[in-house]
Amino acid sequence: EPEVTQTPSHQVTQMGQEVILRCVPISNHLYFYWYRQILGQKVEFLVSFYNNEISEKSEIFDDQFSVERPDGSNFTLKIRSTKLEDSAMYFCASSEIQGARLGTEAFFGQGTRLTVV
Amino acid sequence: SQQGEEDPQALSIQEGENATMNCSYKTSINNLQWYRQNSGRGLVHLILIRSNEREKHSGRLRVTLDTSKKSSSLLITASRAADTASYFCATDAGYGNKLVFGAGTILRVKS
Repeated sequence: EPEVTQTPSHQVTQMGQEVILRCVPISNHLYFYWYRQILGQKVEFLVSFYNNEISEKSEIFDDQFSVERPDGSNFTLKIRSTKLEDSAMYFCASSEIQGARLGTEAFFGQGTRLTVV
Repeated sequence: SQQGEEDPQALSIQEGENATMNCSYKTSINNLQWYRQNSGRGLVHLILIRSNEREKHSGRLRVTLDTSKKSSSLLITASRAADTASYFCATDAGYGNKLVFGAGTILRVKS
């Protein structure tokens, strides 16, 4: 069964460092997403991406964050200068067509646990 | 405003019993989905119900939706120890493509 894969599964970084979280969405999917879950809190939407551009982003997704689809398979989330409060589980997701509003299932990866020290 | 609030926050039951989790939301929606998360793992889609549907079944899962009360319930029948996980409801925001998740219910099924 096709699945969304994320690497690394766990990343520890020093405050102020840049990190890149990587995701390989399901191959025929067109919509890509990043969500995050701070320990013990809700899963929060960060950004959606379609046709090589951001289609929607949340207030959390400030100038410190960027996304890219550098090739035909990878989808990355970059945090330029990490803060302690960026520590969270980051989930990548993809959907075949337009997502939540049309009721399309989003497939989630296993997540990358980011720890900023 | 917050969307998708589940109750109870935690539920502990014996294997074989039914588990019911509830979700309330505040804004109009097009659909509501339930996801499951095993400890420290990714989110797995369980079932989706559209705003014009009232009830949906999938195996041991039964979901109801009451748009007048802005609430949904997830029933897991004949629970198993393997059902132990966190369960989240998620709604669309009425626009765009993002999912808005609730805080989740932690279900523990004791064998």
